[in-house]
Amino acid sequence: NAGVTQTPKFQVLKTGQSMTLQCAQDMNHNSMYWYRQDPGMGLRLIYYSASEGTTDKGEVPNGYNVSRLNKREFSLRLESAAPSQTSVYFCASKAGLYSGANVLTFGAGSRLTVL
Amino acid sequence: GENVEQHPSTLSVQEGDSAVIKCTYSDSASNYFPWYKQELGKGPQLIIDIRSNVGEKKDQRIAVTLNKTAKHFSLHITETQPEDSAVYFCAASKRGGGADGLTFGKGTHLIIQP
Repeated sequence: NAGVTQTPKFQVLKTGQSMTLQCAQDMNHNSMYWYRQDPGMGLRLIYYSASEGTTDKGEVPNGYNVSRLNKREFSLRLESAAPSQTSVYFCASKAGLYSGANVLTFGAGSRLTVL
Repeated sequence: GENVEQHPSTLSVQEGDSAVIKCTYSDSASNYFPWYKQELGKGPQLIIDIRSNVGEKKDQRIAVTLNKTAKHFSLHITETQPEDSAVYFCAASKRGGGADGLTFGKGTHLIIQP
């Protein structure tokens, strides 16, 4: 089925460990996004990639890095995890930054716990 | 930047009754307003959207209204059913998405009581 695939679905880290969340979409979308979801905070944008080869900071980028590996894949890396990064992370994509439609397609989420 | 406020944070209604969720936005240049539904353990999914040149849009039991002058928009669900229980997010953006795409509200947990 077409869509956005995230791995892993669950991960537990110790403070200071590093890890990468993977995201891939098969809809030939140009733009990809990483959001975090915390209770009472809604969805906050961490980083986005308007097109292959470009990345930009969102609302809460500190402590994260991203890589747009190719048109399909957009990864999120935590270099030194902190308890404040305990959250549910969602990857999303849409057809284009300046396309007429702004419909975001989300993955199922990755639940990260930092001890 | 855009700021979207959403109320209430939790809404409990009896099955068969109507539910209304309200949002306000701050940027008068915003002209695309989608609503997303998030079921437990899943990612958000678009259920309806409206553009600024339209005041109301309906899709079966779901409707969205927009008041550009007051900068607020609302989601209306009629004849609620158990499967409507979920978290609902409103969002706003400029046409074309802008640099950061959508700005989301903090969500409303809708509970349908049997």
